[in-house]
Parts: sequence; structure tokens; C-alpha cells
Amino acid sequence: EDQVTQSPEALRLQEGESSSLNCSYTVSGLRGLFWYRQDPGKGPEFLFTLYSAGEEKEKERLKATLTKKESFLHITAPKPEDSATYLCAVQRAAGNKLTFGGGTRVLVKP
Amino acid sequence: DSGVTQTPKHLITATGQRVTLRCSPRSGDLSVYWYQQSLDQGLQFLIQYYNGEERAKGNILERFSAQQFPDLHSELNLSSLELGDSALYFCASSTTISGGQAGEQFFGPGTRLTVL
Repeated sequence: EDQVTQSPEALRLQEGESSSLNCSYTVSGLRGLFWYRQDPGKGPEFLFTLYSAGEEKEKERLKATLTKKESFLHITAPKPEDSATYLCAVQRAAGNKLTFGGGTRVLVKP
Repeated sequence: DSGVTQTPKHLITATGQRVTLRCSPRSGDLSVYWYQQSLDQGLQFLIQYYNGEERAKGNILERFSAQQFPDLHSELNLSSLELGDSALYFCASSTTISGGQAGEQFFGPGTRLTVL
């Protein structure tokens, strides 16, 4: 069965203090690894898809990377508006459903 | 705004009742997915429909059912509700890329169900 584990569960940062979130996964035939951002009471917002080890994608202060066993979401010089829960999910090659990790709650203090 | 709409936003009902949640996918998307998000279980896949047909099932209870209509909107029916069914229910939609594989999934705003 596919498994996704995210760490840490929660992260408190000062504004401008860069950090990384980890997503470890086991899946039978990875088609894609997805990062989402979720604000309280809202639906997950799509950020990135990574398809193969070594791939990197960037969007503003966020950068996602992928290896064969894990993915990292780097937040560079975060701002308070980056406070949210970041979710990682995997999709196997044979199937369309997403298997999500438990998420990392990020709080950026001014 | 993802382009996926869900109604209602909030639903409060009693144990034993039946409710229907509605979802309209993004324009052009043929696949619809339903997910349940609770505090202790996180986001869990329930079921997928593609162009009106059931395509995949997750850990969906027998008391729950879904369907996708010819206009591609979908409904999730929850019956004999229990306190533990209280959760956020999300619908997502995706395009279909080559080989029938789904593309990225875009989520709606969710329906918060409270069972008293």
C-alpha cells in the first residue's frame, strides 16, 4: 500500500527564516508527486507536480525537489502569508487517486 | 479559485439522516474525485468518476454512494449518518492526458458536514 509521511508535523518560523519540509514516500510505480497548500477550512491549492528524481520546480519563495524516496519543499525567506498547511501526495502509475501525507503546519511570525 | 464548485458550504444534520453533496468540475474536466478530510485521518480518497462511470474506489463506506451525471456534475450521497461522519468533504477534478492518465487534481472549497 502507498504510504506518505511528512515531517515535521508543525513548524514555527520567523519572517525571513528559510526552512525545508520533508515528504517521504513508498509507492509502487510513482507517476507523480504533488504538493498542495491548504488554508484553514479551505480546499487544497495545487502548487507543484514532480515526475522524476532530480526534478525541481519553483514558485515565488517555494522550491520543490524530488529524489527516489523523498521530496523536499524549501521555503526561502518566508512571509506571514506563507503560513498554511502544506500537503504532499503521490499518484501511482496505475491509477489516478492521490494518497496524501498528514501535512506540515507552517506558521510564519512577523 | 480552482474552478471547482461545491454546495452547500456547510451542512448540519442529525444521526441517521441522509444528505447529498454536490460538485461541479472545472470546465472541460471529465474526472471527478471525492475525498474526506477529518482531524484524525487526514485527506482520504473515497471514489472517482470519469465521464459518468465509476473508475476507482477507495475506503468508501457502503452507506456512501456517488454518481456523475451527463453534464459531468457529481453528487455524493451519505446515508444513515453517524457522528464519525462529521468531516470536510472535498471534490476535485482533473483533465485526462494521454493514455487515460489523469493530470493534476484541482480541489473545490469543500462541504463541512456536522452530524449531531
